[in-house]
Amino acid sequence: DQQVKQNSPSLSVQEGRISILNCDYTNSMFDYFLWYKKYPAEGPTFLISISSIKDKNEDGRFTVFLNKSAKHLSLHIVPSQPGDSAVYFCAAASNDYKLSFGAGTTVTVRA
Amino acid sequence: NAGVTQTPKFRILKIGQSMTLQCTQDMNHNYMYWYRQDPGMGLKLIYYSVGAGITDKGEVPNGYNVSRSTTEDFPLRLELAAPSQTSVYFCASSPTQSEQYFGPGTRLTVT
Repeated sequence: DQQVKQNSPSLSVQEGRISILNCDYTNSMFDYFLWYKKYPAEGPTFLISISSIKDKNEDGRFTVFLNKSAKHLSLHIVPSQPGDSAVYFCAAASNDYKLSFGAGTTVTVRA
Repeated sequence: NAGVTQTPKFRILKIGQSMTLQCTQDMNHNYMYWYRQDPGMGLKLIYYSVGAGITDKGEVPNGYNVSRSTTEDFPLRLELAAPSQTSVYFCASSPTQSEQYFGPGTRLTVT
C-alpha cells in the first residue's frame, strides 16, 4: 500500500521554463515532507523540505507548496537548468523518523 | 567529512550465499537506515536504528539482519541470498527527524 504517490513518471521541460512536480499522500499522520534529487549511480541528495505547519517553503530556485486538505504537495523549479535533469523523489514522515518515498519523477531539461 | 560511505559498490551473489553490506558515517548521527530501491520504484525501508544498540524493522525486513554496535557503523546482513533481493541498497543517516544523508549505494545481483 503506497502512501506516497508520484503519478507522473517523467517530465520534459525546456531550459529556462518552470518544472512542476506533484506528489500525493494518503496518511494524515504525515507532518514533514521532503524532496530528494537523484543522479544515476549516486545516492539521493536532500533538496528541500516543508513542515505541516507551513504551506510554502522556498530555497533559491526551488519552492515546495503543501496543501494539507488535499494531501498534496508540489515542487516548483524556476528557471529549470540542464543540471536539474535527474530523478526527483517525494518523501513524507510522521514522528517515527521513518520516510515513505514515492516512486520518483524523471525530469529532463531540454536545451 | 566523507559523509556516508558504503562498500562494496557492486556485488554478484549466487542463490543461498550470504554477505554483509557495510555502511559507515562520520557525522555522529544517531539515526541510521537501510533502504532498497527496485527498478521504477521508490525506496523501501528495510531496517533502521535510532542509536547504538537499538534497531527496528522497517517495511521490508524479511531476509535481512542488522546490528548497531557503534554510532558510526550499521552493517546489513543477507543470510541466504534470493533472486528477489536483487536491488540497489542505500544506507542513510540523520541527526534527528530531518533530512537523511544517503550513501552512494550498493548494486546487488543474485543469480
